[in-house]
Formats: sequence, structure tokens, C-alpha cells
Amino acid sequence: SQKIEQNSEALNIQEGKTATLTCNYTNYSPAYLQWYRQDPGRGPVFLLLIRENEKEKRKERLKVTFDTTLKQSLFHITASQPADSATYLCAPYNDYKLSFGAGTTVTVRA
Amino acid sequence: SAVISQKPSRDICQRGTSLTIQCQVDSQVTMMFWYRQQPGQSLTLIATANQGSEATYESGFVIDKFPISRPNLTFSTLTVSNMSPEDSSIYLCSVTPLLRSGGADTQYFGPGTRLTVL
Repeated sequence: SQKIEQNSEALNIQEGKTATLTCNYTNYSPAYLQWYRQDPGRGPVFLLLIRENEKEKRKERLKVTFDTTLKQSLFHITASQPADSATYLCAPYNDYKLSFGAGTTVTVRA
Repeated sequence: SAVISQKPSRDICQRGTSLTIQCQVDSQVTMMFWYRQQPGQSLTLIATANQGSEATYESGFVIDKFPISRPNLTFSTLTVSNMSPEDSSIYLCSVTPLLRSGGADTQYFGPGTRLTVL
């Protein structure tokens, strides 16, 4: 069956450090993969998209990698700030729809 | 981008009753999606609603329980019928804009409707 696994535990990091989040998927062949941010009580907000033929994508302090052989995407937040504290969702696109992982909650300490 | 509003933002309902959730978008969109999210869980797709056609339901969700309307390109409703406490969840509307960036289906989400069934 299809499965999306993100870091099972919450991530607590010091301000200024890099947070690295993992997304592993099984039985998907995604044409692309998206990452979303979700704050408590709000809907997810799109951050980045990476296609199957791309290895890496950057946007400001965010970086995403995509390894279709390993079936894995890594999401990095560099120079983290307390405002980056949120839950981050991985979403591979397959069969004309997005499927979402359960998310990893990141807390950045000042 | 698209700005999405949902009504109601929250509700507390009695078991056996029905609730209709509205989703309004500020621009025309192609696809509209309805998701359910329980605390600490991932988003689960209930159905995809295309204007002018029947909604497509995911495995485990049926039209009798979750009827959906999509009368135009900016509006949709989801009804949660004959509710039980297991239906307590956050229900989210999501859309894909008509003008897609690079052909990819980025989705925009509404703020959600928090439903509690007693």
C-alpha cells in the first residue's frame, strides 16, 4: 500500500541552526513533490515544489532535495528563526492528486 | 494565488444531524478538493469536485455521507450527513487555480471548519 513517512518526532532546534526534515514514500511514482507549512488552526500554505527530474530547489532560506531512487525528499530550513516554528507537510503528486504526510513539527528556540 | 473562505469556521452539532460547509474562492479555479484532518493526523482527501460534473470520491468516502455541490467555478459545498462523534474533525477546502505555475497543481487551502459532534 502507499505510504508517506515524515520524521516521527518533533524537531526542536536553536535559532540560527539548520533544520532537516525527511520525507520517505512507498509505492508512489510522483511526477513532483510539494512541501507545505501549516500553522495551528490554519490551512496548509504552499512552500516549494520539486519535479522528478530536479535534484535540488531553493527558495530563500529553504532548500528541498528529491531522490527518486531512494524515494526520499529532504527539506532544509537554514538560519532558522522562531517564526519558522510550524508543522511542515510533504506531499507527493501521483494519480492526479496530492497525498500528504502527517507532518513534522518544528520548534525554533530563540 | 487564491483566497479561500469557509463557513462556518467551527460548529458543535448533535449526532444524527447534518452540516453543510461552504467554500468560496475569490477567483475562478479548476479543481476543488475537500479534505479531512483529525488532530495530529495528515490530511485525508474526501473528494474532488469539478464544476459541471459529479464529484469523485476517494476510497472510504461515499456520496450519501458526504454530498458535494459545485455550482460554479468559485463555490462548493460539502455536507456531512447523519453525523456521529467519529466525524469530529477539521474539514478543509482546497483549490487549484486556473492559471497554474509551470503546469503544476499547487493547491491553496481555506482556513478549515472545525466540527465537533456530540
